[in-house]
Amino acid sequence: EPEVTQTPSHQVTQMGQEVILRCVPISNHLYFYWYRQILGQKVEFLVSFYNNEISEKSEIFDDQFSVERPDGSNFTLKIRSTKLEDSAMYFCASSAAGVLFFGSGTQLSVL
Amino acid sequence: AQKITQTQPGMFVQEKEAVTLDCTYDTSDPSYGLFWYKQPSSGEMIFLIYQGSYDQQNATEGRYSLNFQKARKSANLVISASQLGDSAMYFCAMRESAGGFKTIFGAGTRLFVKA
Repeated sequence: EPEVTQTPSHQVTQMGQEVILRCVPISNHLYFYWYRQILGQKVEFLVSFYNNEISEKSEIFDDQFSVERPDGSNFTLKIRSTKLEDSAMYFCASSAAGVLFFGSGTQLSVL
Repeated sequence: AQKITQTQPGMFVQEKEAVTLDCTYDTSDPSYGLFWYKQPSSGEMIFLIYQGSYDQQNATEGRYSLNFQKARKSANLVISASQLGDSAMYFCAMRESAGGFKTIFGAGTRLFVKA
């Protein structure tokens, strides 16, 4: 069964460093997303991506964040200068027509 | 603006009994979709069930059913014959058809199934 793949599963970084979280969405999906979840609480929308551009982004998704689909399979989230409050589980998701399918997440810890 | 509300932070149910998890929503878009996801302690997000705003019948998937009350803007999840493996966090979510394609989530309800 096709699935969304995220790497790495855990990432530890120092405050101020750049991190790139990687995702391989399901191959025939057209819509891609990043969400984050702090300490098992609410799942917060960050950004949606369609047709090679951002279709919507939340207030959380400020200038420190960027997304890219560098080739036909990968979808990345870059945090330019990490802050302590960026520590969270980051989920990538993709969809064909509504239902989101999630990856297993990257746990980001900013020290 | 779209909004999802789950008012039950935690729920307990006896094994083999049914349980209802509440969800209300607010949107001005006439076309939208409602979803429920399960998040076990391992952390993955598992899709359970979907209801479209124009669907006439309530959605069902095995032991899961969605009690869709459109006029009341509620989309409660009913789990029948609870099992110990149903213990998890449950999130209600909504996606509007108008622009952005984003899906927003409620705060979640943690379900505990007692043996």
